[in-house]
Amino acid sequence: AQKITQTQPGMFVQEKEAVTLDCTYDTSDPSYGLFWYKQPSSGEMIFLIYQGSYDQQNATEGRYSLNFQKARKSANLVISASQLGDSAMYFCAMREGWSNQFYFGTGTSLTVIP
Amino acid sequence: EAQVTQNPRYLITVTGKKLTVTCSQNMNHEYMSWYRQDPGLGLRQIYYSMNVEVTDKGDVPEGYKVSRKEKRNFPLILESPSPNQTSLYFCASTVQGGAYNSPLHFGNGTRLTVT
Repeated sequence: AQKITQTQPGMFVQEKEAVTLDCTYDTSDPSYGLFWYKQPSSGEMIFLIYQGSYDQQNATEGRYSLNFQKARKSANLVISASQLGDSAMYFCAMREGWSNQFYFGTGTSLTVIP
Repeated sequence: EAQVTQNPRYLITVTGKKLTVTCSQNMNHEYMSWYRQDPGLGLRQIYYSMNVEVTDKGDVPEGYKVSRKEKRNFPLILESPSPNQTSLYFCASTVQGGAYNSPLHFGNGTRLTVT
């Protein structure tokens, strides 16, 4: 079974609008971390935001926030007030506490339309 | 500056010619890992290392070798590259020891083409 599932291969959003990128995960480990990375066309992987399994509040970092629904095992990334520079590939990842292993989704390509 | 440095950024080679992609980190991280990225498949782990002299296979280890003789270095070796190893490769590192809140720090990637 896939540990991380991103069901949206491609998304479009109008500039200045908000967009939600979906991510569901699968683990039986009670301790885990969820991460989102951005990969612009230049290729580097940029860490955006982190959510821990025991965190009570949704994580926020500037225009990025994480809609964490533990019972549903989902950790959706919300980007508010989209900018042209947000056009990139976005990857969701999970790190399990017991194995220390990272698992990545297949990514969502986001295009911001002017 | 804290970083993961991998070289080269671009590499074009021919089938069967041994090559090494270097990776070095200056953050004293115990955990290091190699990934390959292919369209539609996301990042797949090739090998990882939880400390010096400790390496383990990831999801797609065939055709690759690694070594971890020093904490900071984790080179990826392709003994006999084949065209199906044409890909974008990333080295990454992070803190070990139950620190599941520590993100992976990535190098800038190596785009390998095997003809």
